Amino acid sequence: SQKIEQNSEALNIQEGKTATLTCNYTNYSPAYLQWYRQDPGRGPVFLLLIRENEKEKRKERLKVTFDTTLKQSLFHITASQPADSATYLCASNSNSGYALNFGKGTSLLVTP
Amino acid sequence: GAGVSQSPSNKVTEKGKDVELRCDPISGHTALYWYRQSLGQGLEFLIYFQGNSAPDKSGLPSDRFSAERTGGSVSTLTIQRTQQEDSAVYLCASSSYVSGANVLTFGAGSRLTVL
Repeated sequence: SQKIEQNSEALNIQEGKTATLTCNYTNYSPAYLQWYRQDPGRGPVFLLLIRENEKEKRKERLKVTFDTTLKQSLFHITASQPADSATYLCASNSNSGYALNFGKGTSLLVTP
Repeated sequence: GAGVSQSPSNKVTEKGKDVELRCDPISGHTALYWYRQSLGQGLEFLIYFQGNSAPDKSGLPSDRFSAERTGGSVSTLTIQRTQQEDSAVYLCASSSYVSGANVLTFGAGSRLTVL
């Protein structure tokens, strides 16, 4: 079955460092991957989308890569700030239907 | 409206009761999704509506769950004879196309607690 997996362990980093989150997928080839941010008590908020024919996408301090050989996407936050602390979700299209498949998310904590 | 609106934000009910959760999507968004998020779990797809097409109900966990979308806008998710395992946050999203892909805008969710 199609799977999209994220590191379930929380990531703790110091302010100013680069945070790198990983998303792996198995048993399918998504046409695109999306990254969302979720704060406690709120719904996820869309951040970035990268298509399978794109290697890298950037938006301000955010960078996403898509490696179809490794079946992996990396999400980077440079010059991280405490306000970046949240759960980050990876999502992809499904090969069947219109549902987006979501990973369980990785919790990021940026400490001063 | 400016965003996706869900109500109620919190619902506590007794096992066996029926509940209705409401979603008001962004005006003009033709696609609407329901997801469920349990503690420590990822988002679980429940149902998808697109315009006047038949909904994709493939994610509904049992026949106790149903959803409607009236007039291509507001949607109601109904859970009959609630069970304790139905306790979760129910998230609604409507979508627009970005670079040819569905990008979801979520509401804040309805937290359901079944006692």
